[in-house]
Amino acid sequence: DAGVIQSPRHEVTEMGQEVTLRCKPISGHDYLFWYRQTMMRGLELLIYFNNNVPIDDSGMPEDRFSAKMPNASFSTLKIQPSEPRDSAVYFCASSSRGRETQYFGPGTRLLVL
Amino acid sequence: DAKTTQPTSMDCAEGRAANLPCNHSTISGNEYVYWYRQIHSQGPQYIIHGLKNNETNEMASLIITEDRKSSTLILPHATLRDTAVYYCIVSDNYGQNFVFGPGTRLSVLP
Repeated sequence: DAGVIQSPRHEVTEMGQEVTLRCKPISGHDYLFWYRQTMMRGLELLIYFNNNVPIDDSGMPEDRFSAKMPNASFSTLKIQPSEPRDSAVYFCASSSRGRETQYFGPGTRLLVL
Repeated sequence: DAKTTQPTSMDCAEGRAANLPCNHSTISGNEYVYWYRQIHSQGPQYIIHGLKNNETNEMASLIITEDRKSSTLILPHATLRDTAVYYCIVSDNYGQNFVFGPGTRLSVLP
């Protein structure tokens, strides 16, 4: 298996632009998680899905952030409009057993200028 | 909020055992102890988990005290590639309170 796939791996954009991050979970995994990691705040859970349904989005920082999972093999995290404070590494993870044994992707490094 | 306490950093000589402690004095009876690690510039990686018995897999061993208030992750023969941040997480098997704290930065030295 190729593992969790994220794209793009790096993104540089200007403040106010829309950013879309993409994730392909491991086949057969029915949980998908989006995390954000910064030096100041560490690794934070933003939202997670089970069977394509959002279960907990309490970590989504504000309305500028939205996530979708239209099918079992694809999810997006969108930031609109982006701000410099959104600069971080965004990880996607998937699991077949819930939050305890997650497999993480390589992350997307986002820089908002 | 994280329910665990870990040292900020530790050093270990290459080839020696690395013993990473974790305190979780408020752990509940149905909560497991999970360990992940994050190598620089990579996503976190699951290592091992346990409830009350000691566990071993190809990566590490997990020793949980009888009162379950603390545990130790053991890397039996540390290599330079084990240099990473190690996270100890306490959670029930529904994933409640599954929070990554700051972890322990382990440096394996040649």
